[in-house]
Parts: sequence; structure tokens; C-alpha cells
Amino acid sequence: KAGVTQTPRYLIKTRGQQVTLSCSPISGHRSVSWYQQTPGQGLQFLFEYFSETQRNKGNFPGRFSGRQFSNSRSEMNVSTLELGDSALYLCASSTGGGLYEQYFGPGTRLTVT
Amino acid sequence: DAKTTQPTSMDCAEGRAANLPCNHSTISGNEYVYWYRQIHSQGPQYIIHGLKNNETNEMASLIITEDRKSSTLILPHATLRDTAVYYCIVRSRNNNAGNMLTFGGGTRLMVKP
Repeated sequence: KAGVTQTPRYLIKTRGQQVTLSCSPISGHRSVSWYQQTPGQGLQFLFEYFSETQRNKGNFPGRFSGRQFSNSRSEMNVSTLELGDSALYLCASSTGGGLYEQYFGPGTRLTVT
Repeated sequence: DAKTTQPTSMDCAEGRAANLPCNHSTISGNEYVYWYRQIHSQGPQYIIHGLKNNETNEMASLIITEDRKSSTLILPHATLRDTAVYYCIVRSRNNNAGNMLTFGGGTRLMVKP
């Protein structure tokens, strides 16, 4: 079974631009979560989508948004990029609710200049 | 979810058992202990989880104290490939709770030849 895939793997953007990252979960998984990892703040939860609905949301500004499609693929968008948004963005998929372990993708490394 | 406390770093000799402790003194009755690890520049990887009984799988063993206030992850024969940051996470296994994981700082395990 193929694992979680994230595209692109690396991205360089300029301050003020917007960016869209994509995540394809493991086949059959309906939950997709997004995390941001920085050296200073560590791994922080952004949001989770389950069956196309946002189920949980972390403490991030509204510039961070996401969505999930009917095939469970998910995208996250960051508008008006700031230097501090430079991070590794990780996506994780799971079969369903809190009962199940999560499987992480390799991440997208975003650099904002 | 209950807060966890882990040592910042540990060393282990290759081939020896690595014992990684975690304190979770405020854990409640319906909360499970999960362990994930993150090898450098990769997404976190699920290792094991447990409620109150000791658990073992092909990767590791999890020992939870009788009062459930602490646990130990055991890698029985550590290899250089086990060098990673290990995260102990406590969370409810409520099916409606969603999949938000709260990562602390983790323990940086260095396996040395």
C-alpha cells in the first residue's frame, strides 16, 4: 500500500505571496491532519479534515486554511506569507477517529524569503 | 490531553537496550500513551501505544506503571538507524476526538557504535 505523499517536497516563496500544498493520504484513510514544524516551536497541529469537514483546528491565524476533497486528498493554503512561515509542513492520514494511529508523509519544506 | 515530560536527550550503545522514560502524572482513565519517533528530516513514525497493560510489537515494548503516571519505551537492541527524536503523547482514544496530536519536545536518542 502506498504511503502518504506530499507535493511539492520543496518550495521557495517570497514574502507576501501565497502557497498551496497538497497531501494524498493512504488509500482508504478518511482523516488528514496538517502540522507545522519549526526549530523554535517544534511540531504544532494546524488542522484536521475528516470526510471533507474540518474537525479540529489548532491555534494558527486565518492565513492558514485547508480543505479536503471527496477522494480524501487535502490541500492547505497559506496566504500573505511571512518569513516566520518558513517550516516543514507535514501531513498525516488515519483511518478515522481517535482510535487509530497516524501515518505521516515526508513533508513539504517551505522557505519564505 | 495530559501533559508529558521527557528527558531532552539520551545516548545508547549500539546493540544495547534503549529505555526512554516518560512522565504523565495527570493522565486520566480514558487516555492512552502513544509513542512516535522522527528520524532526521522525515515525518514522524508511529511506534506503539497502550492503556495500562504492557505492550510489545516488532519495533518496541511499552511498559506502563501500575498507577499509569509514567511509562518507558524499550528498544531491545538499538541500532544506528534508531537514532531519532522520540515523542511520548497522551491522548484520548475517543472516536469523536479527532486526530490532533500534541507533540512536546521529545527525547533525542543518539545510538553510538
